[in-house]
Amino acid sequence: DAGITQSPRHKVTETGTPVTLRCHQTENHRYMYWYRQDPGHGLRLIHYSYGVKDTDKGEVSDGYSVSRSKTEDFLLTLESATSSQTSVYFCAIRTGGTEAFFGQGTRLTVV
Amino acid sequence: AQKVTQAQTEISVVEKEDVTLDCVYETRDTTYYLFWYKQPPSGELVFLIRRNSFDEQNEISGRYSWNFQKSTSSFNFTITASQVVDSAVYFCALLNYGGATNKLIFGTGTLLAVQP
Repeated sequence: DAGITQSPRHKVTETGTPVTLRCHQTENHRYMYWYRQDPGHGLRLIHYSYGVKDTDKGEVSDGYSVSRSKTEDFLLTLESATSSQTSVYFCAIRTGGTEAFFGQGTRLTVV
Repeated sequence: AQKVTQAQTEISVVEKEDVTLDCVYETRDTTYYLFWYKQPPSGELVFLIRRNSFDEQNEISGRYSWNFQKSTSSFNFTITASQVVDSAVYFCALLNYGGATNKLIFGTGTLLAVQP
């Protein structure tokens, strides 16, 4: 168990509302990642972090922002949710051994 | 540029058949890691194997084997004598291991259906 928790696990929200997803780790790993999973697209990288306050964009960052004010938490915010952001979101942490371990996922529906 | 291509979208086999899942990658870095992950119908992502760019030895773990060839930028995954429990989506991933950032990207996945 890599000690990674995503919250919430499920969320339904309305178009235009802000949404924040949280990824929490208990093991002090430096690297954290946010992905979205959609049919036909696999796992696409949204944003990632390589340290506190150090973040960078991934392949599909438009409409998303992130923050990492402490090692254990990596927050993903949809500033104004759209239906195209309906997806399953996965957080991952990367261990010193370089492989990544994933959270259970958050199913987000924007109506 | 960094890219992972899994050209096989879906594969269907009958139990006990052997099956190979293809993965082709692109990177300009000389130091990188390749991974395979399994996503069963329950949805969690399970790490299977890691390979670094300096180790081209093939690896076998039970019914699973991996073939890494830098000459063709491929990291293929073979399941021998497939079983119904192998039914899942399989993802190949690439990590450029240099500098500070360490971006980890995935292919689009291959859905493997093993029929009894």
